[in-house]
Amino acid sequence: AQSVAQPEDQVNVAEGNPLTVKCTYSVSGNPYLFWYVQYPNRGLQFLLKYITGDNLVKGSYGFEAEFNKSQTSFHLKKPSALVSDSALYFCAVRPQGYNKLIFGAGTRLAVHP
Amino acid sequence: DAGVIQSPRHEVTEMGQEVTLRCKPISGHNSLFWYRQTMMRGLELLIYFNNNVPIDDSGMPEDRFSAKMPNASFSTLKIQPSEPRDSAVYFCASRLPQLNTEAFFGQGTRLTVV
Repeated sequence: AQSVAQPEDQVNVAEGNPLTVKCTYSVSGNPYLFWYVQYPNRGLQFLLKYITGDNLVKGSYGFEAEFNKSQTSFHLKKPSALVSDSALYFCAVRPQGYNKLIFGAGTRLAVHP
Repeated sequence: DAGVIQSPRHEVTEMGQEVTLRCKPISGHNSLFWYRQTMMRGLELLIYFNNNVPIDDSGMPEDRFSAKMPNASFSTLKIQPSEPRDSAVYFCASRLPQLNTEAFFGQGTRLTVV
């Protein structure tokens, strides 16, 4: 079965420290990979995506993600966390040829001063 | 563009009543998705449309749920009769035809069935 795993329910980081939110997937073929962020009482906002090419992709608000094909991972990273980055983060995968996005369960990021 | 527009933002209704949620996708987007978000189940895809045609409704929980897309700029998700377990946040999202593009989400409708 095709799936996306976000192994951490919550990630706690001190402001100014680097952060990583993990994502691994299990799909056939070469999927398209996405990260979304959800702030309280808001819809999901697109952060970044990997389609092809360079394994390191850069997105909004200073976030980046690294695609690792051998490990089937697409971890979200930021060199220096801000308190305002505190939110719910979703990894999503679209298998090639599929119209649907498969979402992970989400990881709550808490950045404390 | 104003983005994906959903209405109402909040809906409180009594069990047994009919509820209709509305969505206006971004102009030019030909794929439209309805999701439900709960603490227990996370984000669930209920149904999606391509060029106004329902493609996959396997996520619709039961016959009480129905969705329509009469034209490219409007879709509805209806629950009749509503039950307390339908309480959730319902999101609509739309996307351009190309599969490598991202979906854009509306602000959601928070439904409470009492």
